[in-house]
Amino acid sequence: DGGITQSPKYLFRKEGQNVTLSCEQNLNHDAMYWYRQDPGQGLRLIYYSQIVNDFQKGDIAEGYSVSREKKESFPLTVTSAQKNPTAFYLCASSIDMRDRGEKLFFGSGTQLSVL
Amino acid sequence: AQSVAQPEDQVNVAEGNPLTVKCTYSVSGNPYLFWYVQYPNRGLQFLLKYITGDNLVKGSYGFEAEFNKSQTSFHLKKPSALVSDSALYFCAVRDIWGYNQGGKLIFGQGTELSVKP
Repeated sequence: DGGITQSPKYLFRKEGQNVTLSCEQNLNHDAMYWYRQDPGQGLRLIYYSQIVNDFQKGDIAEGYSVSREKKESFPLTVTSAQKNPTAFYLCASSIDMRDRGEKLFFGSGTQLSVL
Repeated sequence: AQSVAQPEDQVNVAEGNPLTVKCTYSVSGNPYLFWYVQYPNRGLQFLLKYITGDNLVKGSYGFEAEFNKSQTSFHLKKPSALVSDSALYFCAVRDIWGYNQGGKLIFGQGTELSVKP
């Protein structure tokens, strides 16, 4: 059963703490993405990766970090520098980024809240 | 820069009636347009896309979208709404970076569709 798995479903962060959101895909996709969703604001791109060992900042990368050591995995760390981390985080993937008609496949999301 | 706008935060429709969720876009060059649906506490699911060709695009779950170049619109439609269609709908456009670059998807702010029995 192919797809994207995000974990945990709910996550709570204490002040000053770094937390890591997991994203794993078994679709054999080259490209992976992290989006942040806030009510009424749609989705905003945090980071993206076109291929293993490469990643680029999106529109709102400050306070976040990522790694892409394996094709299947693209974890997102929300650092203590992110002052307003409460949001719904969505991971996505696509076959690659060169095809402009390519659609994205999304995980089920992680809701991050601040204690 | 490419952008999309969804002018309605919420659309209310009675079950069995036709529905329309509006989207307008601003792009330089040919647009690559998408619709996604999100059910509560879930990720987004792809509905349909317009790349080129027929202005009426058919997608999943009986949805279709009409591309109108002169009005720069890409409205989502369904002839007969179901209660189960109630969800958050996102329009998106591909931001073109350069040659051989697919670019990222830019999403609208979303429209909440509510279908009442």
